[in-house]
Amino acid sequence: DVKVTQSSRYLVKRTGEKVFLECVQDMDHENMFWYRQDPGLGLRLIYFSYDVKMKEKGDIPEGYSVSREKKERFSLILESASTNQTSMYLCASSPSVTGNTDTQYFGPGTRLTVL
Amino acid sequence: LAKTTQPISMDSYEGQEVNITCSHNNIATNDYITWYQQFPSQGPRFIIQGYKTKVTNEVASLFIPADRKSSTLSLPRVSLSDTAVYYCLVGPFSGGYNKLIFGAGTRLAVHP
Repeated sequence: DVKVTQSSRYLVKRTGEKVFLECVQDMDHENMFWYRQDPGLGLRLIYFSYDVKMKEKGDIPEGYSVSREKKERFSLILESASTNQTSMYLCASSPSVTGNTDTQYFGPGTRLTVL
Repeated sequence: LAKTTQPISMDSYEGQEVNITCSHNNIATNDYITWYQQFPSQGPRFIIQGYKTKVTNEVASLFIPADRKSSTLSLPRVSLSDTAVYYCLVGPFSGGYNKLIFGAGTRLAVHP
């Protein structure tokens, strides 16, 4: 079974703090994604990566950055957390380098609260 | 970009067949239709994917009419464990991950 793990299930941070969310997948997938999920808005793509050190912006990249130094690990960084970044953050991975209809495998999510 | 529209919620009873329809009027020629299921406190899980006509697997069936402007996810004989949020996803099969759009989802409640 593909396994995608996220470093924390729940996280509470203060406004202005730097926040790191870590994601690890164990199936040698090329593609990794970060989404945020808010009530009534579904999932929105923040960033994705199709290879080590490669990244592309999704729909809502403002206020976020990412890092992919190793194939299995994809980190989401909030340089200066704000209250409007309180949300559920979901990481996903998929195996294809050429198409994006391949199944995405999601982690359990990190519920981040910024006070 | 192909945007999707789904009912916000649906109710059903155990043993019934449930059909959830997704509207995607602006679907492009190279777009696929994918459905995901999400249980509380879990990430979404792939259910089924199709391009046209009908696709069936061990979990569900997906019906896509000839004009592809809508699709219907069919869950046969639902049980309480099918209570979840179901997402319809439309996106191209070559490049452009930022073109994938998750709708707000349909919250299905299955009652005894």
